[in-house]
Amino acid sequence: AQSVTQLDSQVPVFEEAPVELRCNYSSSVSVYLFWYVQYPNQGLQLLLKYLSGSTLVKGINGFEAEFNKSQTSFHLRKPSVHISDTAEYFCAVSLSDDKIIFGKGTRLHILP
Amino acid sequence: SQTIHQWPATLVQPVGSPLSLECTVEGTSNPNLYWYRQAAGRGLQLLFYSVGIGQISSEVPQNLSASRPQDRQFILSSKKLLLSDSGFYLCAWWDRGQRFYGYTFGSGTRLTVV
Repeated sequence: AQSVTQLDSQVPVFEEAPVELRCNYSSSVSVYLFWYVQYPNQGLQLLLKYLSGSTLVKGINGFEAEFNKSQTSFHLRKPSVHISDTAEYFCAVSLSDDKIIFGKGTRLHILP
Repeated sequence: SQTIHQWPATLVQPVGSPLSLECTVEGTSNPNLYWYRQAAGRGLQLLFYSVGIGQISSEVPQNLSASRPQDRQFILSSKKLLLSDSGFYLCAWWDRGQRFYGYTFGSGTRLTVV
């Protein structure tokens, strides 16, 4: 069965510093991978996705993620965070187009 | 354009009362529809999904049920709410006519059972 592990439940980082949110998945077959962002009391918004092709995926708001098949990871990065990046970030995996399995989320706290 | 509507935005209900949350999608046909629940510190839990009218798959046995009376309408219900039903409920859809690119989510319903 597929699963997603987000290694950090909370990540504090100073404004304008770089950030990496970690995500590992388990699956014996090829998967689709996603990062979603959730601002307070809102639904989830797609940041970026990996379906196939280039392992470096660029998304909205300056975020990018790298698919590493050998390490079964899909870490999210941003070179310089802004206070507006304060949110919860969810990594997700799907084997097919029927269901997506989400990680438990990582809360990103931007410190002034 | 394609949009998803979810209502109400917030709801406070007493234990033992019924529940009905509605989700509708516009601008597409025959979508896959999903209900997720988000409880504090527990991530997103898939509750139900539907690939067509009247077709409901339940992921987790619980106090809730779902129905899809129309192609673009998905309803989450309960006959008697429990305190543990409190949470943030999210509806999502995917257009199967498009290449799979992930789900689009509604804005959610915050349910507090008191």
